[in-house]
Amino acid sequence: DTEVTQTPKHLVMGMTNKKSLKCEQHMGHRAMYWYKQKAKKPPELMFVYSYEKLSINESVPSRFSPECPNSSLLNLHLHALQPEDSALYLCASSQPGRPWEQYFGPGTRLTVT
Amino acid sequence: AQSVSQHNHHVILSEAASLELGCNYSYGGTVNLFWYVQYPGQHLQLLLKYFSGDPLVKGIKGFEAEFIKSKFSFNLRKPSVQWSDTAEYFCAFLNNNAGNMLTFGGGTRLMVKP
Repeated sequence: DTEVTQTPKHLVMGMTNKKSLKCEQHMGHRAMYWYKQKAKKPPELMFVYSYEKLSINESVPSRFSPECPNSSLLNLHLHALQPEDSALYLCASSQPGRPWEQYFGPGTRLTVT
Repeated sequence: AQSVSQHNHHVILSEAASLELGCNYSYGGTVNLFWYVQYPGQHLQLLLKYFSGDPLVKGIKGFEAEFIKSKFSFNLRKPSVQWSDTAEYFCAFLNNNAGNMLTFGGGTRLMVKP
């Protein structure tokens, strides 16, 4: 199984809502990543977990809260988002120290109204 | 600051035409460069990678790239494109200023006309 799955595929939320994005992989990877991709732009790294510990936070606003409950799961909790946070959120996984071999999920398309 | 730049934002080709997408990097020291592809509605995937050694790198799906140190370039090539190559292509590097994580260039949107 070389797949990274993400749920939901699409999400529409208001600025006062709380929602979560989920990511799962069963490749035994111990590094997991969240990226944000705006339309017609490259993916931008948000967070990296290595061995279930947060290792990189690219100065992301606190309204985005990542969580890695175990080696297969990665969540991104969303609260009080702004319309400019609307984007495709990509999850990826790899072995630690080999970020170029990331397997990417299909993404969650988030719209904040 | 370390970066890669892709000057071609949109490229339109007919099937069987040859492809060359530009990627220039702007840092010295150890160079680790990659090309990724994002087909419409599909996940991002690695096409090829360069760490050291032979500057001509072969990747999947008939793509290749050549590292030219004197030109700070790592251009992606394919001799004959197909309609199925329609996608967004990203050059990327390992960014020492970001925990040695991937940083992507701005991307080139390729459309191949049948």
